[in-house]
Amino acid sequence: NAGVTQTPKFQVLKTGQSMTLQCAQDMNHEYMSWYRQDPGMGLRLIHYSVGAGITDQGEVPNGYNVSRSTTEDFPLRLLSAAPSQTSVYFCASRSRDRGGKLFFGSGTQLSVL
Amino acid sequence: AQKITQTQPGMFVQEKEAVTLDCTYDTSDQSYGLFWYKQPSSGEMIFLIYQGSYDEQNATEGRYSLNFQKARKSANLVISASQLGDSAMYFCAMRGANAGGTSYGKLTFGQGTILTVHP
Repeated sequence: NAGVTQTPKFQVLKTGQSMTLQCAQDMNHEYMSWYRQDPGMGLRLIHYSVGAGITDQGEVPNGYNVSRSTTEDFPLRLLSAAPSQTSVYFCASRSRDRGGKLFFGSGTQLSVL
Repeated sequence: AQKITQTQPGMFVQEKEAVTLDCTYDTSDQSYGLFWYKQPSSGEMIFLIYQGSYDEQNATEGRYSLNFQKARKSANLVISASQLGDSAMYFCAMRGANAGGTSYGKLTFGQGTILTVHP
């Protein structure tokens, strides 16, 4: 019972490099989302999806792209990494139930030099 | 727009005592849901408790209870009989109404409260 699998756990990038954070869930959840966590700012929503082919922007979408071609996968792409994107990133999924709790991946610690 | 405010950056409690972590929210939705999550130093996010806006009773899950005061727009977490393992960051979060299915899919989080339990 894997839940939400997020890779990699750690990543160091140079300014201007691009990369993709992978996220997969095996619970058949319709809703998936990406958050970043910075000290003193809680978790801020980057992008989210309510189903395959449907994505929307969250609070801090600039510099990130997402797509949802399948129910299971929701990758987050950094187009041209900047030091301001140094953060801990969490992928999460939940069911359509009103009280459906958010299941989180284990997080990715990203440093952009 | 939805907003969650946690005004206590840090809280201290003696082991075996109860503690209340504050959470206020702002939303124009009539239907919404409130969640509390725990984040220990290991970094994982652990679901604690959920309260729906139309639920008449306050939610309880073991030692956790949610003091829901709708008119005051507050959803405080009460931890009874604190344990050393309760030391962690605690986040309050809210999901909105099902407006066409999109707002339902996202949760808005507060800034968090660091709880330290002393022996």
